[in-house]
Amino acid sequence: DAKTTQPTSMDCAEGRAANLPCNHSTISGNEYVYWYRQIHSQGPQYIIHGLKNNETNEMASLIITEDRKSSTLILPHATLRDTAVYYCIARALNTGFQKLVFGTGTRLLVSP
Amino acid sequence: GAVVSQHPSWVICKSGTSVKIECRSLDFQATTMFWYRQFPKQSLMLMATSNEGSKATYEQGVEKDKFLINHASLTLSTLTVTSAHPEDSSFYICSARDRVLGGLYNEQFFGPGTRLTVL
Repeated sequence: DAKTTQPTSMDCAEGRAANLPCNHSTISGNEYVYWYRQIHSQGPQYIIHGLKNNETNEMASLIITEDRKSSTLILPHATLRDTAVYYCIARALNTGFQKLVFGTGTRLLVSP
Repeated sequence: GAVVSQHPSWVICKSGTSVKIECRSLDFQATTMFWYRQFPKQSLMLMATSNEGSKATYEQGVEKDKFLINHASLTLSTLTVTSAHPEDSSFYICSARDRVLGGLYNEQFFGPGTRLTVL
């Protein structure tokens, strides 16, 4: 699976959009970009995933650059409950038992 | 989404004792379950992968005789920490992949975690 690079931490004001970047410059054609988040002392929560088209669901939007070397997770109206560590993972579908390898993630702090 | 539970949510035990942690998929059948460990302020580290009815596959550096994993049914996997020591104190998290919902996209559903403290 391709290596991903994320900023260590980010701050966001409540109600504003939170834009979390992820660099995956060595991603291969069959690797998807997955985003999970982990609220303190809880298990990770799936957010969204995509291959090359932008994706949107009830939680967030995922913008993937045309060359697929980077992506941005967008939380359109951040709330205090969005404070968490966000993990960006690049993973191919056909990787053995489909295990997830977590990096260090971005610690997002949403403030009033 | 699908729900995964863990029991207990926290446990304190004496050094040298064994502790069993259960991971259950409540509303789906899990072909594959994963066990992770997370130390304070660190990321999740995969310990092992278990497929229902077969032996678990352990990651490099994880002692299979110390961390016993059983995945006897499609809804239950257990992790037993044998002869626990203080350095085994950690946050243990399981995840499960739905044989139907996960499907092509291999979405995993995570449990809430179990905090183990070994005195």
